[in-house]
Amino acid sequence: AQSVAQPEDQVNVAEGNPLTVKCTYSVSGNPYLFWYVQYPNRGLQFLLKYITGDNLVKGSYGFEAEFNKSQTSFHLKKPSALVSDSALYFCAVRDGGSTLGRLYFGRGTQLTVWP
Amino acid sequence: NAGVTQTPKFRVLKTGQSMTLLCAQDMNHEYMYWYRQDPGMGLRLIHYSVGEGTTAKGEVPDGYNVSRLKKQNFLLGLESAAPSQTSVYFCASIFGPNTGELFFGEGSRLTVL
Repeated sequence: AQSVAQPEDQVNVAEGNPLTVKCTYSVSGNPYLFWYVQYPNRGLQFLLKYITGDNLVKGSYGFEAEFNKSQTSFHLKKPSALVSDSALYFCAVRDGGSTLGRLYFGRGTQLTVWP
Repeated sequence: NAGVTQTPKFRVLKTGQSMTLLCAQDMNHEYMYWYRQDPGMGLRLIHYSVGEGTTAKGEVPDGYNVSRLKKQNFLLGLESAAPSQTSVYFCASIFGPNTGELFFGEGSRLTVL
């Protein structure tokens, strides 16, 4: 079975400081990993993905994530947080061998960046 | 391109009423999904479709039905709404099973009184 854990419901960070939003996963086949962001009353926007290749993935708005196979983690990072980064972040996984294409989502982490 | 469009965006129902949510995508995607989002629960899959004329159950299908009569449309129906179905519903689509990220609509907020 596939699952995603986001161990922190909330992450608070000061503007200009680095931020990390944690994600661990469980998947039976090859993991395809994704991060999405959701602003209030909006849909989910795609940030970045890991399918194969370099373990460090760069995405939109200066975000990056590192795939760690041994720790089954895919933490989201940004070197310098902005107040406008405040939003709800979702990690998701797909079994790369599946023909169904569905994503399994974590519960989400609310990121608050204060001025 | 409009991408994935959901209608209506907001709806209030009384217990026992029925309604249909419409999802339309203009990207020629084969696969479409309906998720529901509840606080602290993340997104849970209700039903999905891997092509025109096909539907399948996700992890929380009870109380919902779906239809995919046309490739571009995926309908989610509630035959007899219950307060437990108060949620935000998201439609998503993708061209194929391993072609990257899902594309999401803006959501439909449903309240059942």
